Amino acid sequence: DGGITQSPKYLFRKEGQNVTLSCEQNLNHDAMYWYRQDPGQGLRLIYYSQIVNDFQKGDIAEGYSVSREKKESFPLTVTSAQKNPTAFYLCATAGFGNTEAFFGQGTRLTVV
Amino acid sequence: AQKVTQAQTEISVVEKEDVTLDCVYETRDTTYYLFWYKQPPSGELVFLIRRNSFDEQNEISGRYSWNFQKSTSSFNFTITASQVVDSAVYFCALSEALVGTYKYIFGTGTRLKVLA
Repeated sequence: DGGITQSPKYLFRKEGQNVTLSCEQNLNHDAMYWYRQDPGQGLRLIYYSQIVNDFQKGDIAEGYSVSREKKESFPLTVTSAQKNPTAFYLCATAGFGNTEAFFGQGTRLTVV
Repeated sequence: AQKVTQAQTEISVVEKEDVTLDCVYETRDTTYYLFWYKQPPSGELVFLIRRNSFDEQNEISGRYSWNFQKSTSSFNFTITASQVVDSAVYFCALSEALVGTYKYIFGTGTRLKVLA
């Protein structure tokens, strides 16, 4: 199947732990994005990447880290420095020329 | 700064009613794109429409229609004869090019409930 795969769908984290959310795409899109969704706050941009080995901070990057070693993959690590990580995380990709962004099915992270 | 405002947090309508979702945007760029997405309970955002800043023609797709007015910086979305399956959260988004990288700025979304 073509598209964007996020895993896992549900993730539970203990206080103080780092966790990594996976995002894989086979759309051959250059740009990839991570958004966080909280109730009533819409989607907020965490990090984005246009090309391999390059990425930029979004509006709420503190407590998060990313890597872009392959075009197909853009994992997001939620570190222990993120004080309120419980949220719904969405990965997106976009092709060249300001096309629409395509979204994965999301990962719901809960701190226990 | 870029900003997208969806002032309607939640709207409830009875099936077959028409409903309009409002979207107001701010940008300094003359070239930009506007989008609408639907988020059903499953969580994945589904693309509905893209409109560039040079095309103010209204668009209709089945029961959906969009009204883009640059003079008021608005890009409103109307569902005609709403159905229960239209119940979802709808997001308006703005995209500007930043030296080749496109950032997508989303509004806070409008939750639409269509009652049978």
